[in-house]
Amino acid sequence: DVKVTQSSRYLVKRTGEKVFLECVQDMDHENMFWYRQDPGLGLRLIYFSYDVKMKEKGDIPEGYSVSREKKERFSLILESASTNQTSMYLCASSLLDLAGSNEQFFGPGTRLTVL
Amino acid sequence: QKEVEQNSGPLSVPEGAIASLNCTYSDRGSQSFFWYRQYSGKSPELIMFIYSNGDKEDGRFTAQLNKASQYVSLLIRDSQPSDSATYLCATYMDSNYQLIWGAGTKLIIKP
Repeated sequence: DVKVTQSSRYLVKRTGEKVFLECVQDMDHENMFWYRQDPGLGLRLIYFSYDVKMKEKGDIPEGYSVSREKKERFSLILESASTNQTSMYLCASSLLDLAGSNEQFFGPGTRLTVL
Repeated sequence: QKEVEQNSGPLSVPEGAIASLNCTYSDRGSQSFFWYRQYSGKSPELIMFIYSNGDKEDGRFTAQLNKASQYVSLLIRDSQPSDSATYLCATYMDSNYQLIWGAGTKLIIKP
């Protein structure tokens, strides 16, 4: 069974704090993704990584950074949290499948509230 | 700009009826198509994947793909209250590693 875990289900932080969200997958997937999900806006890609130490910006990278030092772990960093970063954060992973089946497996999500 | 469009709903369907969810996409380079189900407060989970024109059936679920018209649909037969969720459509292109996501359709099955 593919498992993607996230470090926290719920997190409350104050404006200006540095926030770390961690994601770990146990299926040796090459690709890992960070999304945020807000009502009415669907899933929006923040960053993704297709290999260790590699990262690519998604649609909304501003205010975020990422780190992938090991294949199984992908961290999302909010350098200085702001109230507009209050959201549900979802991590996902997938195999690099050139045949086209690129199913993404999701972690349980972290609901972050910035006060 | 690659886009995937879904009607946000809510789509209300009586229990036992067929629920029909639709999705259109803008880029003809899209190769694979995914339907995810997301219960409130939970993360998305894959229910169907299709890459060939035509129908693909899995239990009560049927995915239909028409690449010429650039749409993909999901039919749920014998709808149950437990099918009430938001259904997300996504497409994959081989030019990058990403899925392009629709905003989702909220489905409500009324007992």
